[in-house]
Amino acid sequence: AQTVTQSQPEMSVQEAETVTLSCTYDTSESDYYLFWYKQPPSRQMILVIRQEAYKQQNATENRFSVNFQKAAKSFSLKISDSQLGDAAMYFCAYRSSLFGNEKLTFGTGTRLTIIP
Amino acid sequence: DARVTQTPRHKVTEMGQEVTMRCQPILGHNTVFWYRQTMMQGLELLAYFRNRAPLDDSGMPKDRFSAEMPDATLATLKIQPSEPRDSAVYFCASGLYPTGRNTGELFFGEGSRLTVL
Repeated sequence: AQTVTQSQPEMSVQEAETVTLSCTYDTSESDYYLFWYKQPPSRQMILVIRQEAYKQQNATENRFSVNFQKAAKSFSLKISDSQLGDAAMYFCAYRSSLFGNEKLTFGTGTRLTIIP
Repeated sequence: DARVTQTPRHKVTEMGQEVTMRCQPILGHNTVFWYRQTMMQGLELLAYFRNRAPLDDSGMPKDRFSAEMPDATLATLKIQPSEPRDSAVYFCASGLYPTGRNTGELFFGEGSRLTVL
């Protein structure tokens, strides 16, 4: 079974600075998808960024980018120019590419605090 | 703006009572997931459906939980009888699979917060 590990329960960063959230995963599959979800106090789960394992290029979405290291099974999220609205729980998630196994497996989350 | 709709948003009930949570997936999505979120266990998959048929419900306590999709626009999660340890936020999510190289984005509802006293 796949597992996802987020080793940083909490992180904080000064507004406008850059922060990196860590995620590692364990799988025997070669093709899969990785995601970062944001959960603000409203509870809504919001997709931040996604990465296909077959793509070598790291995904970017505006101020959010990932460092995907397939061999190391590492998938970190970098938030540049942090803003107060970035304060939330961040979850790393794994999904198999196998049809019929599309469930997301989540890490335990990292609570990000933005310091004004 | 398409969204997954869950009801109720909040539910407080007493131990032993039946609880039913409802979810309206995004129109056209063929896969529906139920997740439970607690401080101790994080986000756990309870069950999921494809074209209304259950694909995996191994994460769901079978003795008291049941999940169904009476039709394509409604998914239900029922707990009977409820217990204090069922207190959690229950999320419904929907997606469309497969679609070529679909990256499989799940769209989540806002969750139902359940408190069992």
